[in-house]
Amino acid sequence: NAGVMQNPRHLVRRRGQEARLRCSPMKGHSHVYWYRQLPEEGLKFMVYLQKENIIDESGMPKERFSAEFPKEGPSILRIQQVVRGDSAAYFCASSPKVGEGNEAFFGQGTRLTVV
Amino acid sequence: AQKVTQAQTEISVVEKEDVTLDCVYETRDTTYYLFWYKQPPSGELVFLIRRNSFDEQNEISGRYSWNFQKSTSSFNFTITASQVVDSAVYFCALSERGSTLGRLYFGRGTQLTVWP
Repeated sequence: NAGVMQNPRHLVRRRGQEARLRCSPMKGHSHVYWYRQLPEEGLKFMVYLQKENIIDESGMPKERFSAEFPKEGPSILRIQQVVRGDSAAYFCASSPKVGEGNEAFFGQGTRLTVV
Repeated sequence: AQKVTQAQTEISVVEKEDVTLDCVYETRDTTYYLFWYKQPPSGELVFLIRRNSFDEQNEISGRYSWNFQKSTSSFNFTITASQVVDSAVYFCALSERGSTLGRLYFGRGTQLTVWP
């Protein structure tokens, strides 16, 4: 049973470009969470999605950031017009259930560097 | 307000020493879950343990042990006879059963360095 798969592992973008980060949840998991880890900080929640629905996006910056989890295919975190401050590790986690303390299974993260 | 506080930013020990990483949490939910994750230099997040709020029994797994104290809202993590491979950032996290829909609140992490 493959774990949570994130790609790419490393992504370099110039300021103003778009970054697309992909996350394939574990088989049978329909809940996906995105977290951001800025340098020297813990992980901060960004968005929680179920298939075709954004459930909670309270941690997402208001502009330039969007997320989706289509019926088919991976979840996508999209950052438009990237700036240096977007440089961070972005982790995706998936879970089979909500609210039952099922530990979220994390991917290996995508390290975004904006130059 | 921080829901999870890890007051120790960095800890250095010499191999074979015991070390305790502190975690204090804050929640109004009566049902909640506490986690510890390890982030080695390679960057991935490794799940270590999950405890629910109704189970205050301490847990031991090899050289790792966890002390859950509801009275002080703490969930401390002890590594016995530390090894160089234990060097990593350790995160404590909280999940509430209430309205926050399974999201995890992380502390800022404790960087543990074990010297040979």
